Amino acid sequence: DQQVKQNSPSLSVQEGRISILNCDYTNSMFDYFLWYKKYPAEGPTFLISISSIKDKNEDGRFTVFLNKSAKHLSLHIVPSQPGDSAVYFCAASHSGTYKYIFGTGTRLKVLA
Amino acid sequence: EPEVTQTPSHQVTQMGQEVILRCVPISNHLYFYWYRQILGQKVEFLVSFYNNEISEKSEIFDDQFSVERPDGSNFTLKIRSTKLEDSAMYFCASSAFDGGPYGYTFGSGTRLTVV
Repeated sequence: DQQVKQNSPSLSVQEGRISILNCDYTNSMFDYFLWYKKYPAEGPTFLISISSIKDKNEDGRFTVFLNKSAKHLSLHIVPSQPGDSAVYFCAASHSGTYKYIFGTGTRLKVLA
Repeated sequence: EPEVTQTPSHQVTQMGQEVILRCVPISNHLYFYWYRQILGQKVEFLVSFYNNEISEKSEIFDDQFSVERPDGSNFTLKIRSTKLEDSAMYFCASSAFDGGPYGYTFGSGTRLTVV
């Protein structure tokens, strides 16, 4: 039962361009969404979050958009930098639970 | 910056043996978690721990698994009798709040290989 899906296992983007990573979910009870970045041999690192009362949250080069009706969120990175190359996981939870459900991840490669 | 520390970084064990994975969460965090990632698959929730007891656990976290906070700083995951399919990266995480928009701080993980 994959409640959180990242359908693109990999993405390549030229340095300076925009990276768009997508995530779909099925559980309408989810009300918090997070993006994590993971480098090889390291644990996931929290990047940015959004709650279901918002449709956009911005932090520097990173913006997360939430479309509740489509049960879809996306992470925009602009401009993309080679250091952004990593695996990006989206994760979702709903109030009343301690756990996050993770997607399978998208490997982003930013080409110099 | 405060970090979550996990030891060992790599553990190889024989099938049927017991293993203990160790974690030192961030000192002022109150919520502790174990997740795992089987190679090439998604990060899966195992268990959350708060106020010295399990607050939530997944179907994966069966009787072979247990967690403990033996003192004020360590948080351990024990697998009593390891199986081949327990081979995975195990991530410990901690947070000051119970999830929500704040996320967790993850450790670097322990790679468990069961042979």
